[in-house]
Amino acid sequence: QKEVEQNSGPLSVPEGAIASLNCTYSDRGSQSFFWYRQYSGKSPELIMFIYSNGDKEDGRFTAQLNKASQYVSLLIRDSQPSDSATYLCAVKRTLWVFGKGTRLSVIA
Amino acid sequence: EPEVTQTPSHQVTQMGQEVILRCVPISNHLYFYWYRQILGQKVEFLVSFYNNEISEKSEIFDDQFSVERPDGSNFTLKIRSTKLEDSAMYFCASKDRTQETQYFGPGTRLLVL
Repeated sequence: QKEVEQNSGPLSVPEGAIASLNCTYSDRGSQSFFWYRQYSGKSPELIMFIYSNGDKEDGRFTAQLNKASQYVSLLIRDSQPSDSATYLCAVKRTLWVFGKGTRLSVIA
Repeated sequence: EPEVTQTPSHQVTQMGQEVILRCVPISNHLYFYWYRQILGQKVEFLVSFYNNEISEKSEIFDDQFSVERPDGSNFTLKIRSTKLEDSAMYFCASKDRTQETQYFGPGTRLLVL
């Protein structure tokens, strides 16, 4: 059974701080890694994807991948109240497998 | 900005009935997907569709499920004989050939009684 694990949270951070979201996956053959944001009652929205070990930055967001440790993370710099949402980690080999998500709350 | 649309937004049906959920993907997209999310649970991949055939499907996508692209714009998910456990939000998504970004529709909330 291929699993993607995330801490369900809530993760509370003050406005302006760095939020760090973590994800581990069980399928060592996974090739693509995605972070989605899902507001309550809404559909998922892709924030970033990463394929290679290391960091990938896009604005305030940085995805980090360590395939040896089967670990992928998302850093959100200068967190804003509008970042408050559930963040979903998804992993793909042939099929997409999602984690249950981490709820982030940014306190103004 | 183009977006994926889904109809209906809510559907209530009796157990054993057939339902068809409809999606209109973004017009120049070629890859289409269905996902479901049971309330409070994780998003689950059901099926992907490209070039008028299923590319990948999960073990959830059994013989009770089928997909179709009946014309140039619609993409449908049919559940032949609904069960209570089919109650969920069903999301359609689409993407073009060049990008990894899948654009999700707003979802259809299905309730099976």
